[in-house]
Amino acid sequence: EVQLVESGGGLVQPGGSLRLSCAASGYTFSDHYMDWVRQAPGKGLEWVGRIRNKANSYTTEYAASVKGRLTISRDDSKNSLYLQMNSLITEDAAVYYCTTVRDSSWSGSYSEYWGQGTLVAVSS
Amino acid sequence: DIQLTQSPSFLSASLGDRVTITCRPSQGISSYLAWYQQKPGKAPKLLIYTASTLQSGVPSRFSGSGSGTEFTLTISSLQPDDFATYYCQQHYTYPITFGQGTRLEIK
Repeated sequence: EVQLVESGGGLVQPGGSLRLSCAASGYTFSDHYMDWVRQAPGKGLEWVGRIRNKANSYTTEYAASVKGRLTISRDDSKNSLYLQMNSLITEDAAVYYCTTVRDSSWSGSYSEYWGQGTLVAVSS
Repeated sequence: DIQLTQSPSFLSASLGDRVTITCRPSQGISSYLAWYQQKPGKAPKLLIYTASTLQSGVPSRFSGSGSGTEFTLTISSLQPDDFATYYCQQHYTYPITFGQGTRLEIK
C-alpha cells in the first residue's frame, strides 16, 4: 500500500522559512516523479511544483507564484521528498500535499496518490 | 498558463440523480485531463485520468469523456458517498493547473 506522510508544517512569520518533508513507502520511490500541491483555507487546489527522478537528473518545475522562494528536493536513500520554503508570504498559507506522479510521460503526468497534508500558517 | 473553467461551481442533486460536471480548458489539451474528488478535511482522490480512464477501485458509476477543449465527468446514479467537491486538472503542459472546483451537495 502506498503511503505518503507529510510533516514539518506550522506557524511562521512573513519572511521566514520552513522545511516540509514527505516520507514515502509502499512503492519504489526512486522511480517516480513527485509533486507538491497546496490548498489555501477554503480555496481550490494549486500545483506548486515537481521533481523528476534520477534518470531525468532530478530536474524541477515550479509554479510562477513560488519560483525562487520554494525549492523541491528529494533523498532517494531515505524515500523522502522535501519542500524548502523561504521568504514566506501570507499567500503561502495552505495545506501542502505531496503526491506521486504516475509516470514520466504526459499521459501519466497526474497525481496518483496523495498524502494527508501538512498545514502551513504564515502570520505575524 | 492553461486556465480550466468548471461548470457549475455548485450543484445540488438528489440520491439516484445523474449529474454532469464540465471542464473547459482555455486551449486544447488533447486527452490529458484528470478528475479528483475531495471531501472536507481530506486529501483529494484520483477518479479519472487521460479524460476517460477510471482509476483502479473507483466505482463504475463515474465516467469521463471529452478531448481538446471540453471534458465532462458524469456520475450515473448519485450515492451518499459522492457528495464532495470535484476538481479537474490538466496534465498536458507546465504549469499543471486545476479547475476551481465543483461542490456537489445533497438537495
